[in-house]
Amino acid sequence: GQQVMQIPQYQHVQEGEDFTTYCNSSTTLSNIQWYKQRPGGHPVFLIQLVKSGEVKKQKRLTFQFGEAKKNSSLHITATQTTDVGTYFCAGLRGNFNKFYFGSGTKLNVKP
Amino acid sequence: DTEVTQTPKHLVMGMTNKKSLKCEQHMGHRAMYWYKQKAKKPPELMFVYSYEKLSINESVPSRFSPECPNSSLLNLHLHALQPEDSALYLCASSQEGGARNQPQHFGDGTRLSIL
Repeated sequence: GQQVMQIPQYQHVQEGEDFTTYCNSSTTLSNIQWYKQRPGGHPVFLIQLVKSGEVKKQKRLTFQFGEAKKNSSLHITATQTTDVGTYFCAGLRGNFNKFYFGSGTKLNVKP
Repeated sequence: DTEVTQTPKHLVMGMTNKKSLKCEQHMGHRAMYWYKQKAKKPPELMFVYSYEKLSINESVPSRFSPECPNSSLLNLHLHALQPEDSALYLCASSQEGGARNQPQHFGDGTRLSIL
């Protein structure tokens, strides 16, 4: 079956430092979505990437989809304490209605 | 605030009990999902309904029985659960009949504990 791996598992940064999480799939993805889950909360949709090599930005967040559509990354510039949470990528393969969630990267930001 | 409402928020039940989890959305979404999430793990897809019909069952044990009475409601009936079924159960919905190109909106979840 399809696997979506995410690294690192945990990341502790000082406020103001940058942060990056990487998502890798064993198979080509149709698209990829990113979610953020705060402690005790539910996943909240951040962005969707569809095209090969696509780059999207949301304020301090930059999302990238690889040329082969097998990997993706999320980069946060100058982290803030509000960025704390677990970031999941979720890949969709083909036309099936199911996303395979990555293992997640838990981000902790020290003030 | 979430646009997907799940009840109850917490549920404690014995292994012989029968209970149901409920999910409701009024965004006009035609795809609805059940996920199971264990602590420190990603959500695992259980079921997908598309236009009120079950389209995906990820080999979920029969002690979990989904039901979609209409396009706004999704239930998960529980019977004879095991302690390892204790988890956060998340409901989600998305536009159209599939998740392709559509974000999923998650509810707050039901935290289930099996004694």
